[in-house]
Amino acid sequence: GQSLEQPSEVTAVEGAIVQINCTYQTSGFYGLSWYQQHDGGAPTFLSYNGLDGLEETGRFSSFLSRSDSYGYLLLQELQMKDSASYFCAVQDSNYQLIWGAGTKLIIKP
Amino acid sequence: ETGVTQTPRHLVMGMTNKKSLKCEQHLGHNAMYWYKQSAKKPLELMFVYNFKEQTENNSVPSRFSPECPNSSHLFLHLHTLQPEDSALYLCASSQEPPYSSYNEQFFGPGTRLTVL
Repeated sequence: GQSLEQPSEVTAVEGAIVQINCTYQTSGFYGLSWYQQHDGGAPTFLSYNGLDGLEETGRFSSFLSRSDSYGYLLLQELQMKDSASYFCAVQDSNYQLIWGAGTKLIIKP
Repeated sequence: ETGVTQTPRHLVMGMTNKKSLKCEQHLGHNAMYWYKQSAKKPLELMFVYNFKEQTENNSVPSRFSPECPNSSHLFLHLHTLQPEDSALYLCASSQEPPYSSYNEQFFGPGTRLTVL
C-alpha cells in the first residue's frame, strides 16, 4: 500500500528552528507538497518540491531527496502563530495526492 | 480566506436523514475535490471533478453522492450515513488539472459532520 510517515507531534521553542520529516512509499512520484492547518481552519499550501534539493520561501524551506524517498519542512525563527498541524502529501503515478497523517507543532514561549 | 466556502460549517444528522454539503469556489478554478479528514488520520480523497466531469471516485460508499453542476459549485449528498462517517469534510479546488505534477490546492474551512 501507499503511505507517508511523519512524526505525530513536535515541540519547539519560540525563535528556534524545527524540522519536520516525511518519508514516503508510493507507486510513482510527481512531487512532494507541504500544507499547514491551524485548529479549526483550512489546510493552506506552503511549498512544493518536484526535484531534489531545497526550496526556500521566507522562514520556511522544504527539501526533497527522491533517491531516499524523503523530504522535510524546515521552519526558522519560530513564532507562536506557527503552532499548527503540518501535512506532507505526495502525488503518485495517478497524480493523486496521498497525504500523511500530519505533525502537530507545539511552540512554547 | 482562501476563496473556497463551505456550508454548513457544522451538521448533525441521524442515520436515516438526507442532507447535502455545499462548496463554492470564487477562484475561477476548473478542478474541485472532496476530502474526508478524521482525527489523526491522513486526508482521504473521495471525489475529483475536472471541468464538471468526475474523474476519480476512490471506492467511496454509495451513501455519498457528489454533484458538480458547474466549475464553481460542488455538492456532496448524504443519505443513510453511519456513525463512522462522522468527520470533517473538506472541499478544495485547483487551477491546475488533477493530472498535473504541480497541483496547489485551495481548501475550504470544512463541514464538521456528526452522525448519531
